[in-house]
Amino acid sequence: DIQMTQSPSSLSASVGDRVTITCRASQDISNYLAWFQQKPGKAPKSLIYAASSLQSGVPSKFSGSGSGTDFTLTISSLQPEDFATYYCQQYNSYPPTFGGGTKVEIK
Amino acid sequence: EVQLVESGGGLVQPWGSLRLSCEASAFTFSTYSMNWVRQAPGKGLEWVSYISSDSSTIYYADSVKGRFTISRDNAKKSLYLQMNSLRAEDTAVYYCARDRLHDYWGQGTLVTVSS
Repeated sequence: DIQMTQSPSSLSASVGDRVTITCRASQDISNYLAWFQQKPGKAPKSLIYAASSLQSGVPSKFSGSGSGTDFTLTISSLQPEDFATYYCQQYNSYPPTFGGGTKVEIK
Repeated sequence: EVQLVESGGGLVQPWGSLRLSCEASAFTFSTYSMNWVRQAPGKGLEWVSYISSDSSTIYYADSVKGRFTISRDNAKKSLYLQMNSLRAEDTAVYYCARDRLHDYWGQGTLVTVSS
């Protein structure tokens, strides 16, 4: 199985900050990488697929980049509604696997 | 608006069985593959099972293989997960998610395995 490693596991940031989360795959997954946002008590929400394509309705402050084994999710200007846990997922091969999550908290 | 609504969760004893359902609306269910994903309390996301649009391809996580069975009824726009021989470590919120991209998720249904 492909292992997905996210870093950091948590971070504290202020409103307006630029935030970057990284995700590393244990082998080449091309661009078969998705990012999800999950708020407490809620279902995950799809943000990005194919490493850099924004899902419909997702604001452009979210962006993704990378290919192969190294990927990033960037939030350009953190807003109160962005405080949540973010997960990456590879869907290059079965089983699809998730990273351990990055919890973004208010500083 | 795409909607996925899970049901069927609850409290079950170890070695018991439970059947989860996921009812879809506002999209052509028969043309999309579907997944089950679970989340144990306070933990991350774990993919459980996949079924193709025509049920011809099915995959399971090793942790549930031989105990869980995924199925679908395209006429009823519904996805199912039959869970047998349940263990304490199966306790989780179970979500259904659309497509290989997991682009839409249901609200989840809680399964608690405990005596």
